[in-house]
Amino acid sequence: DAGVTQSPTHLIKTRGQHVTLRCSPISGHKSVSWYQQVLGQGPQFIFQYYEKEERGRGNFPDRFSARQFPNYSSELNVNALLLGDSALYLCASSPIGDTDYGYTFGSGTRLTVV
Amino acid sequence: ILNVEQSPQSLHVQEGDSTNFTCSFPSSNFYALHWYRWETAKSPEALFVMTLNGDEKKKGRISATLNTKEGYSYLYIKGSQPEDSATYLCAFIWAGSYQLTFGKGTKLSVIP
Repeated sequence: DAGVTQSPTHLIKTRGQHVTLRCSPISGHKSVSWYQQVLGQGPQFIFQYYEKEERGRGNFPDRFSARQFPNYSSELNVNALLLGDSALYLCASSPIGDTDYGYTFGSGTRLTVV
Repeated sequence: ILNVEQSPQSLHVQEGDSTNFTCSFPSSNFYALHWYRWETAKSPEALFVMTLNGDEKKKGRISATLNTKEGYSYLYIKGSQPEDSATYLCAFIWAGSYQLTFGKGTKLSVIP
């Protein structure tokens, strides 16, 4: 059984560029969430999608956007990259949109902005 | 501002020792508390989902308790093993929300 898969695992971008991160949830999971983790901090919530609808958005600028596809995979897009966007981006999936279940996380995408 | 505090920040114990960590969270608008274990270079792994005041959950040598009235949860590890070395994160969910608000974690190192 494949877990939550994220791609790419690492990437380096230049300030001002755009980046797309991808996530495939566990088969049968309809909810996908995105989190940003910077060194020394706990993961911070960015978005949650359930059944292709946005269910929640964290305190991130409009440069961050996301979407969920009919197969429940998801993309996180970040425009006009800043040095401060350098972080580990985690994707998490769960069977339903509620939080009674623990989330299953991917291994993350390490983004470095130079 | 919603604050989830974890203590200690890091901990070194000898193999065989028992240990515990604390997670403090707002006592109002509580919905659930999650505990995750995060080993280096791996994904965070869900340990417990706790929803009721007085909840006590156990998985092998690891157990957790929950006090929603005073806003804290304890995670206990009995007879620590080197494979328990990881960062332990707690995450609070308030009523009406879908997001996890994480603490900064407790980094546990178990010395053989």
